[in-house]
Amino acid sequence: LAKTTQPVSMDSYEGQEVNITCSHNNIATNDYITWYQQFPSQGPRFIIQGYKTKVTNEVASLFIPADRKSSTLSLPRVSLSDTAVYYCLVAGNFNKFYFGSGTKLNVKP
Amino acid sequence: GAVVSQHPSRVICKSGTSVKIECRSLDFQATTMFWYRQFPKQSLMLMATSNEGSKATYEQGVEKDKFLINHASLTLSTLTVTSAHPEDSSFYICSAQTGTSTGELFFGEGSRLTVL
Repeated sequence: LAKTTQPVSMDSYEGQEVNITCSHNNIATNDYITWYQQFPSQGPRFIIQGYKTKVTNEVASLFIPADRKSSTLSLPRVSLSDTAVYYCLVAGNFNKFYFGSGTKLNVKP
Repeated sequence: GAVVSQHPSRVICKSGTSVKIECRSLDFQATTMFWYRQFPKQSLMLMATSNEGSKATYEQGVEKDKFLINHASLTLSTLTVTSAHPEDSSFYICSAQTGTSTGELFFGEGSRLTVL
């Protein structure tokens, strides 16, 4: 069971880049790091997943240092619609998936 | 991408009745499904893990006789809240994982249960 720690909340303005960091000091060798976005009254939605170094897709980048004890989700040029709660999960296949407290991102105009 | 569908999205019931929530994987076979509940302004709490054809594994503190989970096929898992009471009112979310997953979960839309 890899515990994760994230900031409780973050504020940003439209058009800015937002970086949310997650600590997972006891990550296991076969664990992947996955980030999810959740809007109120909806199920979480997959954003990005990585194992090490850097991963980029059409919506975000994920930076993972060599020791893998933390990860940073980077959202380029956020908009109001990016206001949501962001969760990082650490688990491997057939593991249980425990959610931490998540980071509530508030994007202001 | 993989799609997980939950039904119903909202349900209101009287205290003492039972409610069934369905979770379906629409375009893949889910060997493992997870059920979560979420209270307002809180994170998701894992309730149980179900594997197709076997009994569900419940997290500590979750009453297995109250929250009945059935994973009868590779595309369907159900959660039945038996003898529901107002404190069972919550947002219930299922998720599914394929056997070849690298740890990515696919989530349903969630089901809002209100017990009067």
